[in-house]
Parts: sequence; structure tokens; C-alpha cells
Amino acid sequence: KNEVEQSPQNLTAQEGEFITINCSYSVGISALHWLQQHPGGGIVSLFMLSSGKKKHGRLIATINIQEKHSSLHITASHPRDSAVYICAARDSNQFYFGTGTSLTVIP
Amino acid sequence: DAGITQSPRYKITETGRQVTLMCHQTWSHSYMFWYRQDLGHGLRLIYYSAAADITDKGEVPDGYVVSRSKTENFPLTLESATRSQTSVYFCASRGGGGETQYFGPGTRLLVL
Repeated sequence: KNEVEQSPQNLTAQEGEFITINCSYSVGISALHWLQQHPGGGIVSLFMLSSGKKKHGRLIATINIQEKHSSLHITASHPRDSAVYICAARDSNQFYFGTGTSLTVIP
Repeated sequence: DAGITQSPRYKITETGRQVTLMCHQTWSHSYMFWYRQDLGHGLRLIYYSAAADITDKGEVPDGYVVSRSKTENFPLTLESATRSQTSVYFCASRGGGGETQYFGPGTRLLVL
């Protein structure tokens, strides 16, 4: 049983393309996080959402609480965006993680 | 060093041996977490701690022991390592009122 499901698992895009990664969750949450894991393994927190939409540079994250769904969008994708993107649903002290979406942006 | 660090970064051990992975953070964050990351499973919570001397089990605690005698340290011990514990282990921390988790660089553990 996976509390958090992501799609797609793998994504290859041409530089400049608009990218969307989806996340659905089944648990009640206090927040939804998007993480980025670089090829070297380091994990960085990109967004924390409890409602609506957030934007940081070329990255946009949205959440629909009623539908239990979140999306991460990357505009004007660049090869340096190549990484694994992980969705995590936070329920009080525990995080439930998706298995990640591996993104490769080709020049 | 400021931030959250893990040691060792790489470890090879044999089945049955005891192994301790160290995690240290300099922010005085109250919450600390240990995760393992495996292909096909993503990140899974092993144990977490809300404060010094307070620890609780996560999703996959069997075979692991933790302690938190000081706020800044959260060691994870494999009392008798098994091959199934070969994984990448990430430590993380966050403040009591904060939402963002900060991850350590990870420890790659191979159990032969």
C-alpha cells in the first residue's frame, strides 16, 4: 500500500519544454513537500504546501486538498533540472514519500 | 561544520556485525529523522525523535536502534547487520515550528 503515488516514474524532456510531475496521496496531511534529489544523492527541499500554489523561479507547485493531488511544474526546463523529484505527504510527525520521478532534460 | 552531517559516508560491513551511523546537526532542531532509501521503495522512515530522550518508531524500525541523549546527535545502530539492510541512509532534521526538513548527505551502507 502506497500512501503517496507519483507519476510518471521516468521523464525525458528536451531543453525548454514545460514539465509536469503529479502526486496523489491517500493520507490526511498537514503539508505536502516537494524534494529534489541530485544525481550525487543530496536531497533538497523545494516547496512546502498546505494549500494553493507556490512559485520559486521556474518551479511552480500546486495542491488541491479536496482531490488530494499536487503537481510540480518546471517551465523552460534546463539540463541542470535533471534530478529525481520526490513528493512527500506530512501527517503530524511522519512523512510518507513517493518513489520519485526521475527527470532527464536533454540539451 | 554548520548544518547536518552524517558519518561515515560509506561503510562496508559483514552480516552479524554491529554498525552505528552518526548524524549531527548544528541548528538545535528538535526533530530528527532516519530514513533508508531503496530502489522501488523510495524513502522510508526508520525512527524519529521529537526531542532529546524522546524517540519513536517509523515505518521500518525492525533491526535498528536509536538514541538521542543530546539534541544535536541522533545515532542509528544496526545491532546485527543483515544483507537486507544494505541501503542508503539519510538523516534529516527540522525545527519544532518549522515545516522544512533538512537532509544530510547520506550514508551508503553495504552489508556483505
